[in-house]
Amino acid sequence: AQSVSQHNHHVILSEAASLELGCNYSYGGTVNLFWYVQYPGQHLQLLLKYFSGDPLVKGIKGFEAEFIKSKFSFNLRKPSVQWSDTAEYFCAVNANRDDKIIFGKGTRLHILP
Amino acid sequence: DAGITQSPRHKVTETGTPVTLRCHQTENHRYMYWYRQDPGHGLRLIHYSYGVKDTDKGEVSDGYSVSRSKTEDFLLTLESATSSQTSVYFCAISESGLAGGGEQYFGPGTRLTVT
Repeated sequence: AQSVSQHNHHVILSEAASLELGCNYSYGGTVNLFWYVQYPGQHLQLLLKYFSGDPLVKGIKGFEAEFIKSKFSFNLRKPSVQWSDTAEYFCAVNANRDDKIIFGKGTRLHILP
Repeated sequence: DAGITQSPRHKVTETGTPVTLRCHQTENHRYMYWYRQDPGHGLRLIHYSYGVKDTDKGEVSDGYSVSRSKTEDFLLTLESATSSQTSVYFCAISESGLAGGGEQYFGPGTRLTVT
């Protein structure tokens, strides 16, 4: 069965620090990859997605992610975080182009002002 | 924001009672999904629909049923609620589905407590 692993459950950073959140998936075929963000008390919003083409994907709010097929990874990065980035981040995988999506367990990011 | 509403937004119910949650969309999207969100588990798919009267199971479908008689409404029913179904339930919609690289838009969620 497909699965998604997010390495860090809770990350604490100071403002202006660089961010990298790890995501690995277990599926050898074609995948679509997503990062979602959930701000406190709000619903999930799409940050970025990879469907095909350039493996370096740029999303909203200065986030980017790199798809490395050989490592089954799709890590999320941001060069300089802000206090407003405090949220929970979810990696998700759609495998084999079916209609389902598997979410990771999430990473809680807390930015210190 | 996509036009998705969920009702009720909060509900407390007793073990053994039936509960129905409603998801309503005004976007005319074909695909609709029900997830539950629990601490340490992320979001898990319960059921989804790929058209009127067309539904399929997700990874945690036991104890839940769904119905979709109209494009705009997707109902989730707990026939006999249990404490393990205490959770936050999110509805999502997608115009073209995930297989074609489409994205999902999420509703505001329903917090259900089963006592």
